[in-house]
Amino acid sequence: AQSVAQPEDQVNVAEGNPLTVKCTYSVSGNPYLFWYVQYPNRGLQFLLKYITGDNLVKGSYGFEAEFNKSQTSFHLKKPSALVSDSALYFCAVRDRADYKLSFGAGTTVTVRA
Amino acid sequence: NAGVTQTPKFRILKIGQSMTLQCTQDMNHNYMYWYRQDPGMGLKLIYYSVGAGITDKGEVPNGYNVSRSTTEDFPLRLELAAPSQTSVYFCASRGLASHNEQFFGPGTRLTVL
Repeated sequence: AQSVAQPEDQVNVAEGNPLTVKCTYSVSGNPYLFWYVQYPNRGLQFLLKYITGDNLVKGSYGFEAEFNKSQTSFHLKKPSALVSDSALYFCAVRDRADYKLSFGAGTTVTVRA
Repeated sequence: NAGVTQTPKFRILKIGQSMTLQCTQDMNHNYMYWYRQDPGMGLKLIYYSVGAGITDKGEVPNGYNVSRSTTEDFPLRLELAAPSQTSVYFCASRGLASHNEQFFGPGTRLTVL
């Protein structure tokens, strides 16, 4: 079985401040981990993924995420948030032996000017 | 490439009516998925397909049916619509390599009254 937890429903930050969105996961085997972003009334857009190798993964729009196997976490980060980063963010996990992706409940990020 | 396209964008059904949500991808992807998104619940997998002629149930398949006669198309059928099926429906696809990310369509917002 596989599952994802996003412990924060909402994250609020000021523009220019660092942004962190938390994610922890559970899988029986080795994971693939993903972050997606959803803007209002749109589909999900892929941000970045962890496959193997370097624990720090860089993705689109200046986002990065750090894979921590011992803490089973994959937190999303951005050094300096923009108002345009305000959106709904989803973490997802897939066991390498599975076809299916499991999503967290999502975290709403609001960046105030 | 158009990517993943879905029709219709919006639909209102009466209880007991039926309809088909259309999904097409032009990326020659083997894997296709149907999700529903309810507020605060993340995305739940309804059905998925690993190739033409092969489909399987996800987490919440009751009240839905799918078919996959071609690589490109993966329609979702709602029989006897119920208010509990009011949701936003997303179709997604991904390529063959196991680490590939999923690409999402723009969604169909369905209301059952």
